[in-house]
Amino acid sequence: GQNIDQPTEMTATEGAIVQINCTYQTSGFNGLFWYQQHAGEAPTFLSYNVLDGLEEKGRFSSFLSRSKGYSYLLLKELQMKDSASYLCAVRDLFSGGYNKLIFGAGTRLAVHP
Amino acid sequence: DSGVTQTPKHLITATGQRVTLRCSPRSGDLSVYWYQQSLDQGLQFLIQYYNGEERAKGNILERFSAQQFPDLHSELNLSSLELGDSALYFCASNAGGSTGELFFGEGSRLTVL
Repeated sequence: GQNIDQPTEMTATEGAIVQINCTYQTSGFNGLFWYQQHAGEAPTFLSYNVLDGLEEKGRFSSFLSRSKGYSYLLLKELQMKDSASYLCAVRDLFSGGYNKLIFGAGTRLAVHP
Repeated sequence: DSGVTQTPKHLITATGQRVTLRCSPRSGDLSVYWYQQSLDQGLQFLIQYYNGEERAKGNILERFSAQQFPDLHSELNLSSLELGDSALYFCASNAGGSTGELFFGEGSRLTVL
């Protein structure tokens, strides 16, 4: 099976940097995704890692270490609108079904002035 | 706008009733996924269809069923509803290949009274 862990809540200050960690256990790893979800809204795609290393996309970066089963999402120059839940999701080829994503419970980030 | 359309957006019904949620995937996408998100919970995978065929089942109750039609739209049927079925139900789609993120609809919020 799969197990995905991420902190439940985090707080940060506007303009600062925050790192949201995600650890996972899976037998057929085939990619890790980060999504942003504002309360009551649809999750929106932020980043995708399948190889080790850092992927940068504007203010957001995501890192993956497959050997450690570890990823983080780095948010720079935080803005109030970044207050949302951040969902870590793993694609596992051996979990049955092609291409489905298994999601962690999400990290609720609150950005304060 | 992800291109995935879900109806209805909101639905209030009573225990014991049956409802149908509808999803139209992005143009050209062959895979449809259904997820359930209860209050302050993560996204729970329910079921996946690819080009009309069921591909994977997750934590879907026997009271729930789904199908994907020849025009690729999908319906999720929830019957003998219980209070605990109150949740946001998300549909997502993608092309069905080995890479690429899921695109989520805005969700259908079901309230069972």
